Amino acid sequence: DIQMTQSPSTLSASVGDRVTITCRASQSISTSLAWFQQKPGKAPNLLIYKASSLESGVPSRFSGSGSGTEFTLTISSLQPDDFATYYCQQYNSYSGTFGQGTTVEVK
Amino acid sequence: QLQLQEPGPGLVKPSETLSLTCTVSGDAISTSGYYWGWIRQPPGKAPEWIGSIYHSGSTYYNPSLKSRVTISIDTSKSQFSLKLSSVTAADTAVYYCPRLLATKRAFDHWGRGTLVTVSS
Repeated sequence: DIQMTQSPSTLSASVGDRVTITCRASQSISTSLAWFQQKPGKAPNLLIYKASSLESGVPSRFSGSGSGTEFTLTISSLQPDDFATYYCQQYNSYSGTFGQGTTVEVK
Repeated sequence: QLQLQEPGPGLVKPSETLSLTCTVSGDAISTSGYYWGWIRQPPGKAPEWIGSIYHSGSTYYNPSLKSRVTISIDTSKSQFSLKLSSVTAADTAVYYCPRLLATKRAFDHWGRGTLVTVSS
């Protein structure tokens, strides 16, 4: 099974900060990596697919990069609505695994 | 607009079988490139992929759950279903039924989710 490891697990930041979250795969997944934002009581919301493609309707301050085993999600200027939990997920060879999540909290 | 609805039983007894059905509306369940999935999220934990199905009936399961999971599809009713047998308290979670778009290799539309509690 492919394991996904996210870091950090918690991130304290202020509005306007540049925020970076990292996700590592236990083996190469090419660019089969998605990023989700989740708020309490809601379903995960797709932000980035295929490692770097921005989902329609998602603000351009979100960006993704990476391939193989190392991936990053960057929020260029953190906004009040961005305080949430973020998950990476690989979907390769018809199997999917989520990272353990990164909670972005108010500093 | 695509909608997925997965009403649930709420409470299931230990050792019994959890059954959920997701109804798809606003788009055709048999569209080429659409896969349909089940994902669960225990309280306070990360989501866990349970499995996926294509309209042809091809299924893909999480190896850690495979022995207890059956996913099926009824294209005439625009529904797909999950059965999870021999449940324990560890199966308590919010269960979601999202669509996976093959071209994106990502789950892009999700239902609201339904909380299933396993308890006697």
